[in-house]
Amino acid sequence: EIVLTQSPGTLSLSPGERATLSCRASQSVSSSYLAWYQQKPGQAPRLLIYDASGRATGIPDRFSGSGSGTDFTLTISRLEPEDFAVYYCHQYGSSPWTFGQGTKVEIK
Amino acid sequence: QVQLVQSGTEVKKPGASLNVSCKASGYTFTSYGISWVRQAPGQGLEWMGWISAYNGNTNYAQKLQGRVTMTTDTSTSTAYMELRSLRSDDTAVYYCARDGAVAGKAFDYWGQGTLVTVSS
Repeated sequence: EIVLTQSPGTLSLSPGERATLSCRASQSVSSSYLAWYQQKPGQAPRLLIYDASGRATGIPDRFSGSGSGTDFTLTISRLEPEDFAVYYCHQYGSSPWTFGQGTKVEIK
Repeated sequence: QVQLVQSGTEVKKPGASLNVSCKASGYTFTSYGISWVRQAPGQGLEWMGWISAYNGNTNYAQKLQGRVTMTTDTSTSTAYMELRSLRSDDTAVYYCARDGAVAGKAFDYWGQGTLVTVSS
């Protein structure tokens, strides 16, 4: 099983700042089959990034994904008030699919 | 538009069985699969398993093997998840999400979630 470790656990930033979230895999993720989701309280997760760097439909271009192999990054170029949430990475290249434990982006 | 609509809140006693449905609309159901994901209170996301609506193949998380069964009814575009021998640590919000028909893909659409409480 591929274990995904996200860091940091919590990121305290102000609106307008840049957020950099990390997701490290215990083994190489096949074909860069890695996604990022945003989740707000009481809501289902929302897909942001697929295949490591593809932006999902309707996602603003301030969200970008990069990486390959075992190291992946989600970058939010300038935080908007609605971006404060929990973010999860997810690999779907090797069974069983797995999720990281999440990074909370909170208002400083 | 693509929608996944799940059945409602459930309260169960330990040892009972749970059935959650997920009705799909807005796309060709048999061209995709459905994964089930759960989230315990205050915790992260846990993948439970996958079923292909194309050919009925399944793949379950090892920790749930023997307790979980996933099925589909292609005539109604509905996926079902049954979890047996419920325990208190099965208390969670259960989500269905659109997955690949044969191989994995990012979960681009999610159901609204079904809150399940297991308590005596």
